[in-house]
Amino acid sequence: DQQVKQNSPSLSVQEGRISILNCDYTNSMFDYFLWYKKYPAEGPTFLISISSIKDKNEDGRFTVFLNKSAKHLSLHIVPSQPGDSAVYFCAASWSGGSNYKLTFGKGTLLTVNP
Amino acid sequence: DAGITQSPRHKVTETGTPVTLRCHQTENHRYMYWYRQDPGHGLRLIHYSYGVKDTDKGEVSDGYSVSRSKTEDFLLTLESATSSQTSVYFCASGSSSYEQYFGPGTRLTVT
Repeated sequence: DQQVKQNSPSLSVQEGRISILNCDYTNSMFDYFLWYKKYPAEGPTFLISISSIKDKNEDGRFTVFLNKSAKHLSLHIVPSQPGDSAVYFCAASWSGGSNYKLTFGKGTLLTVNP
Repeated sequence: DAGITQSPRHKVTETGTPVTLRCHQTENHRYMYWYRQDPGHGLRLIHYSYGVKDTDKGEVSDGYSVSRSKTEDFLLTLESATSSQTSVYFCASGSSSYEQYFGPGTRLTVT
């Protein structure tokens, strides 16, 4: 049973436009969410996170939105740049003694075209 | 970036042979994790450690064992490699927070 779902395997956008990556989760115990970015032949790198007590967190060009009632989060990248082309993973965790374990989605490949 | 390395970076081995992958971190992080990445599956947790000699299973632990004798080292062992264990393996570490820092990965091919 997949608890974190990224239903779009790929997304293509033009440079300068907005990229919106979506993530859904089924486990209502999750209360912390993260986005990771991964380039080919490299390990994932942390991008941005959000706690369930918030509905928005912003860091430069990256904003994460959380809709708890819909069990949905999204990552907005504005403006998109060619260097943003990578696989983006959504991850979730819960604070109830999980040893900070993360459950990852399958990832979305973002391609930003010049 | 957290100082986390993995060795070897690439390995080809035969079915039935034992394989050990090493993860080394220099950040004094308490928590360490082993994941595998496969097409169509994303990152799946194999085993994790919450302290020296303290380990537990993740979601895909069958066929794998781990050991952590020092804070900085976390070993993943495939006792008898199978073709289904062909994958890219990532190690990660973290302190008491949700952010995990990943190594560069080990590409393992079992023939």
